[in-house]
Amino acid sequence: KQEVTQIPAALSVPEGENLVLNCSFTDSAIYNLQWFRQDPGKGLTSLLLIQSSQREQTSGRLNASLDKSSGRSTLYIAASQPGDSATYLCAVRPTTSGTYKYIFGTGTRLKVLA
Amino acid sequence: GAVVSQHPSWVICKSGTSVKIECRSLDFQATTMFWYRQFPKQSLMLMATSNEGSKATYEQGVEKDKFLINHASLTLSTLTVTSAHPEDSSFYICSASGTYSGQGFNSPLHFGNGTRLTVT
Repeated sequence: KQEVTQIPAALSVPEGENLVLNCSFTDSAIYNLQWFRQDPGKGLTSLLLIQSSQREQTSGRLNASLDKSSGRSTLYIAASQPGDSATYLCAVRPTTSGTYKYIFGTGTRLKVLA
Repeated sequence: GAVVSQHPSWVICKSGTSVKIECRSLDFQATTMFWYRQFPKQSLMLMATSNEGSKATYEQGVEKDKFLINHASLTLSTLTVTSAHPEDSSFYICSASGTYSGQGFNSPLHFGNGTRLTVT
């Protein structure tokens, strides 16, 4: 059974720091991994999607990497800003589920201090 | 592009009544929609997967007679919470995955803004 874990559960950093959020998954049989951001009381916003054949994806100050064989992904945020404060979730789409279903991690609550 | 609209954003209802939540894909055809429930400071719990024109697939432990899902068109899915009780109070979020980009299983997942349900 696929399980997705995110460490740390919460993180507080001063503005301007570069930071790394971690996501690990137990089964490497995935189509892709997607990173999301969730603001309080809101839905999820897609940040980056990495296909299983890819190693990384970049969008602005965000860079996500994928090491499928070791079951790990990292989300790198450069020069963090207070507006980056949110909960970040990773999710994998297993190849074994037979559907388009995603399995979500528990999230990392990020707070960037001004 | 790829906007998912969820309505209402919040609703308060009395115990025993039913509530319908709508999820629409505004600029793409959503072949598959998902309904999640989220408790405070917790991750998303998948309730069911719906495919257009067919019955929804419910996750283990989710009562299909209580949480009715209809996916009648490629742009609309609805979740009806029947005979709501205070323990049904939660944040419900829908998401949609489409084939607009022709990426199949690599089509990204897009979310609505969620519905806060409070049952009194």
